[in-house]
Order: sequence, then C-alpha cells, then structure tokens
Amino acid sequence: GQNIDQPTEMTATEGAIVQINCTYQTSGFNGLFWYQQHAGEAPTFLSYNVLDGLEEKGRFSSFLSRSKGYSYLLLKELQMKDSASYLCAAYSGAGSYQLTFGKGTKLSVIP
Amino acid sequence: DTGVSQDPRHKITKRGQNVTFRCDPISEHNRLYWYRQTLGQGPEFLTYFQNEAQLEKSRLLSDRFSAERPKGSFSTLEIQRTEQGDSAMYLCASSLAGLAGALSFGPGTRLTVL
Repeated sequence: GQNIDQPTEMTATEGAIVQINCTYQTSGFNGLFWYQQHAGEAPTFLSYNVLDGLEEKGRFSSFLSRSKGYSYLLLKELQMKDSASYLCAAYSGAGSYQLTFGKGTKLSVIP
Repeated sequence: DTGVSQDPRHKITKRGQNVTFRCDPISEHNRLYWYRQTLGQGPEFLTYFQNEAQLEKSRLLSDRFSAERPKGSFSTLEIQRTEQGDSAMYLCASSLAGLAGALSFGPGTRLTVL
C-alpha cells in the first residue's frame, strides 16, 4: 500500500524560510515529487528527487532520504504569493505510472 | 505552449445522469492521466494512457467510469449514472516519456451532482 503524511497547515512570515516535511511508505519507490497548488487552481510541478540528497531550484529546494522514507521542501525568502498548498507525491514505478499524493500542506505567508 | 485544456470547466448534473468530460493534452505529450480531487485531499489517480492505449486503471475506479483516447490525442472521461459521491474536481494531466511524475495539469472540471 501507499501512505503519504505531511502537516495539514503551516504559517510563516514573509522573507523567512519554511520547511515542509513529508514522510512516505510505499510498496515501491522511484521518486518523490513536490507540487504547488493555489486555491481553486490545478497543481503545478515544482521539484523532484530520485536519489538521496538536496536538489536546489531557485528559492525552492527539495531533500530526500530514501532510507528514512522522508523528504522536505524548503522555501526561502518567502513571498506572499507562496501562500498555497504544497503536495508531496510518491512515484512507485515498477509498471505503475500513478503518483500517490499526500493531502497537502496549506502554507499561509503573513506580513 | 498552450498547456492542457479541459472542457467544460464546471458541470452541474442531477443524480443518475451521465456526464462526459474532455481533455486536450500538450501536443507533444504522449502520456495522459486522469485524477480526481476532493476538498482537503490530494489528487487521486484514476487512469493512465500512453498514446491511445489505456495502460493503467485505479482499482478503486467504479465500472461507471470509462475513459478513452481514441487517436492518441484528446481524451474523454465518462461517468454513467452519477452519484453525489462523484462530486469532485476532475483533473487531466499530460507528460512526456522520461520523467514520470512531472505532470502538467489542466485547470480541471468541477462536477457537482445534485
């Protein structure tokens, strides 16, 4: 089976750094993906990790530890427009093409 | 890049009616997916096409749901005998072969079953 856990809500201050954690338990694993979803809109792809370590992409970075079943998304220099839900999704591969999504973490950025 | 488009954007129907949604993926993308999302939940996988072949369906997908991608381009998702529990946002996504998991989602069709 597949299980993805992430915090329901977080609040952070404009200009600060925030880390959104995700833990996963999957029957197979071939990658961890992060998506951003603004209210009423579709998800947009942000970042992914297949191997252990940190992937940096501008203000966004994502980290993966396969042995611990753990990932995080790091957002730096927060802006008001970063207020959104952040979805963690695991890709199992092995003949399956589906992503298993967590419920999302709603991030509120305050002045 | 025109992006993934979906039609209609909103659909209100009465319980028991049939509905059909259309998705036009990004033209170069040979992979097409349907997901469903309800409030406070992440998207839930429904089905996957590679070109015109439907290669994967969710085990949770009721027999009332059927999807097609007849010419490997656009896709349709039909729900027969709709139920109130079918109310959700239906998301279509497409991707290139290669990085499975990096999906381009369409704006979605919001279905309300009364």
